[in-house]
Amino acid sequence: DGGITQSPKYLFRKEGQNVTLSCEQNLNHDAMYWYRQDPGQGLRLIYYSQIVNDFQKGDIAEGYSVSREKKESFPLTVTSAQKNPTAFYLCASSMRSQETQYFGPGTRLLVL
Amino acid sequence: GENVEQHPSTLSVQEGDSAVIKCTYSDSASNYFPWYKQELGKRPQLIIDIRSNVGEKKDQRIAVTLNKTAKHFSLHITETQPEDSAVYFCAASGGGSQGNLIFGKGTKLSVKP
Repeated sequence: DGGITQSPKYLFRKEGQNVTLSCEQNLNHDAMYWYRQDPGQGLRLIYYSQIVNDFQKGDIAEGYSVSREKKESFPLTVTSAQKNPTAFYLCASSMRSQETQYFGPGTRLLVL
Repeated sequence: GENVEQHPSTLSVQEGDSAVIKCTYSDSASNYFPWYKQELGKRPQLIIDIRSNVGEKKDQRIAVTLNKTAKHFSLHITETQPEDSAVYFCAASGGGSQGNLIFGKGTKLSVKP
């Protein structure tokens, strides 16, 4: 999982602001995922992409958007429509769907 | 869709004792069951996984068992050490959710020296 990077480590969002979280992998994985983790909760799937130029909504996609223009990159935008964005955001990748997922180090998003 | 229940939510053991964490899943089509360990503020890391064609898998002090009929799987840690203290997550995939992982809510394991 050392081949997956996320930036920034901490991100502060003001009211009404869109912010973008970066996720990059050099593992040549086809599939990439975004999860949200709240205290005392498991990981909830926001969006996933099984191949370049294609992505699907997960369980909690409202207020978020993604793109997958390159195999290595899967950025997540937290829009102003997401009213409770404070959480730990984890990106993951796997060779293919149903294969082992490896996680990035995470981005902690806080609201000012 | 798939639903994964994990118990207990917290577990405290003495160093050297064994720890067992159990998960149940709802989708009989699920066929891949990983376990992740997450230390405070860090990323989840895979510690062991099992596929549905195997009933048990062991790696040193860690083992996972799978009962497909009952739709439950368990993590067993023997000879626990303080560095085993962390939150452990089970997950299931391969069912109707396009193979995406569905996670349990986690078990916070504390190993007291």
